[in-house]
Amino acid sequence: AQSVTQLDSQVPVFEEAPVELRCNYSSSVSVYLFWYVQYPNQGLQLLLKYLSGSTLVKGINGFEAEFNKSQTSFHLRKPSVHISDTAEYFCAVSEGSYGKLTFGQGTILTVHP
Amino acid sequence: DVKVTQSSRYLVKRTGEKVFLECVQDMDHENMFWYRQDPGLGLRLIYFSYDVKMKEKGDIPEGYSVSREKKERFSLILESASTNQTSMYLCASSGDRGIYEQYFGPGTRLTVT
Repeated sequence: AQSVTQLDSQVPVFEEAPVELRCNYSSSVSVYLFWYVQYPNQGLQLLLKYLSGSTLVKGINGFEAEFNKSQTSFHLRKPSVHISDTAEYFCAVSEGSYGKLTFGQGTILTVHP
Repeated sequence: DVKVTQSSRYLVKRTGEKVFLECVQDMDHENMFWYRQDPGLGLRLIYFSYDVKMKEKGDIPEGYSVSREKKERFSLILESASTNQTSMYLCASSGDRGIYEQYFGPGTRLTVT
């Protein structure tokens, strides 16, 4: 069975600082990897996805993530955050069967002025 | 623009009531999913459906059932609501054999008193 671990439940940062949200997964087969964002009182919105090819994936709002197969990690990064990036971020892995996703526990990113 | 809608944003029900949560997607997607979201636990899959009248149990199906009579509509049923089912419920859909991203509705916050 797959599992996803987000290593930080909360990450506070100051505006314009860089940020990294960490995600590790366990799977014995090829996987597809996703990062979703949830703004307050909203559903989840896709930030980026890794299906194959280049291990560095660029997403919306200036976010990017790097797939590292040897370390089974898919960390999310942004070089300079804004107040509007305050949200909860979820890492997810798909086993490819009907596209079922296994989610991590979520990381709450709070950007302070 | 893709859209997944859920029948209610907020719902308050009493213990023992039968509760219906409705989800509709307009993307002609084959796969639909119901999750519950609780703080610190991320999203957990309750049930999913890969075709009309087809359903599969997810990780936490106990106390829930589902119905999919039409391709665009997927209902979650709480046969006898209990206080431990107070949660945020999120519906999602995906297409293309499900290897691509899931699209989420805005969520229903259910309170059982």
